[in-house]
Amino acid sequence: EVQLVQSGAEVKKPGESLKISCKGSGYNFANFWIGWVRQVPEKGLEWMGVLYPGDFDTRYRPAFQGQVTLSADKSINTAYLHWSSLKASDTAIYYCARSLEEAEDVDAFDIWGQGTMVTVSS
Amino acid sequence: QSALTQSASVSGSPGQSITISCTGTSSDVGGSNLVSWYQQHPGKAPKLLIYEVDYRPSGVSNRFSGSKSGNTASLTISGLQAEDEAVYYCSSSTATSTTNTLGYVFGTGTKVTVL
Repeated sequence: EVQLVQSGAEVKKPGESLKISCKGSGYNFANFWIGWVRQVPEKGLEWMGVLYPGDFDTRYRPAFQGQVTLSADKSINTAYLHWSSLKASDTAIYYCARSLEEAEDVDAFDIWGQGTMVTVSS
Repeated sequence: QSALTQSASVSGSPGQSITISCTGTSSDVGGSNLVSWYQQHPGKAPKLLIYEVDYRPSGVSNRFSGSKSGNTASLTISGLQAEDEAVYYCSSSTATSTTNTLGYVFGTGTKVTVL
C-alpha cells in the first residue's frame, strides 16, 4: 500500500526549533515530489513548498522562503519540515503529500499524510 | 500570490447536481492547465478529485467532473450524496513558478452541504 505516515503532534514554545517528518512507503520515494501544506485550524489550505527527493530540488512559496526548510533522507524514505525558531503564528496542522506522476514536474498530489498538529505557545 | 476565490458555501439535495467555482486571474487559473480539486472532510487530510482541469485519478467517482473557462475553473458534483458533504478546494499553478519558487495557490474553500 502506498502511504505517507507523519510524525506525531508537537507542543513547543516560541523560539524553539522543530523538525517533523513524513515517511513514504510502497513506492519509489526518490521519484515523486513531496509537497508540504499548512492548515491553520478551521481555516484553508496553503502550499508551503515542494521537494524532489531524487535530486533534492526544492521550491518554496515566497511567503515561506526563509521561514522553514525542507529536506529529505532518501535512504530512509523520509521527508522533513524544519523550523529553526518557531512563532505562535506557526500553530497549524501540517500535511505532506506525494505528487501524482512519477518523475514529472510538480502537478497534483494524490497521496497525503495524516497531518501533524504543531502548537506553539508560551 | 493571493488565494483563488471560491464561494463560501453551496448546498443541494441528494440526487441534485451542484457546481463550485474557482476564480483567479490570467496569471494562474486562466493561464494554467494545472488546476486541481481536493475534497476535505472534517479532521481528515485532503483527497485529490480532479487534476489538470478535468482528469480524474483512478478510484474517484465519475460523479465529479472539472472544467475551465477563462479565469474560472469549476467542479461539478452530480447525483449529490450525503458523503459529499465536505469542504472543496481548488488549486492552480501560477505564473510565478520558477526553478526556485513554488508558484501554486489554493482557493479559499467551499463548504458543500447536503440538505
